[in-house]
Amino acid sequence: DGGITQSPKYLFRKEGQNVTLSCEQNLNHDAMYWYRQDPGQGLRLIYYSQIVNDFQKGDIAEGYSVSREKKESFPLTVTSAQKNPTAFYLCASSHSGTSGARDEQYFGPGTRLTVT
Amino acid sequence: GEDVEQSLFLSVREGDSSVINCTYTDSSSTYLYWYKQEPGAGLQLLTYIFSNMDMKQDQRLTVLLNKKDKHLSLRIADTQTGDSAIYFCAETLSGGYQKVTFGTGTKLQVIP
Repeated sequence: DGGITQSPKYLFRKEGQNVTLSCEQNLNHDAMYWYRQDPGQGLRLIYYSQIVNDFQKGDIAEGYSVSREKKESFPLTVTSAQKNPTAFYLCASSHSGTSGARDEQYFGPGTRLTVT
Repeated sequence: GEDVEQSLFLSVREGDSSVINCTYTDSSSTYLYWYKQEPGAGLQLLTYIFSNMDMKQDQRLTVLLNKKDKHLSLRIADTQTGDSAIYFCAETLSGGYQKVTFGTGTKLQVIP
């Protein structure tokens, strides 16, 4: 079965600790994305990657970091610099990320991060 | 600007039609999408419409696009309790990479 997996589903951390969220896809997609979802605010783009070894900041990148060493994997690190890290994090992928193409994004099941 | 707006909540009775509305501001949108999110889960693509179309029908789903007013709607016929979820509209903007802007989401509650 092809798809996107995120782990863990629930994650709890103490304030001041860095935490890494996993995202893996076996869809052979070039592009991958990380979003943050807060109640009543829709999805906000954190980082995206159109190809291996390359990634770009999204709208709310401060306090986050990513890597794209393999096509299948796009882990997100929430650093201690992120002021309000408690949220639901969604990873997505798409075939190419090319402008103008009907290139819908496929989403993982999400990770709910709680920082206390 | 890039702003996609939706009302936050909609309640309908089982068997009735649901209409979820969305307004967007960027006239250069190419594709517009409707996604469904069930509680605690990721988003699932329901349907899409290309910006040069006015309407698209897919089984119980009808998408209407009014480009002049930048208004998109999703009609669900014969709404079932399994349709209870949050529905997001999204637009793809032209230029650069495939940037998708999501609306705030409309929570649909179906009353048995």
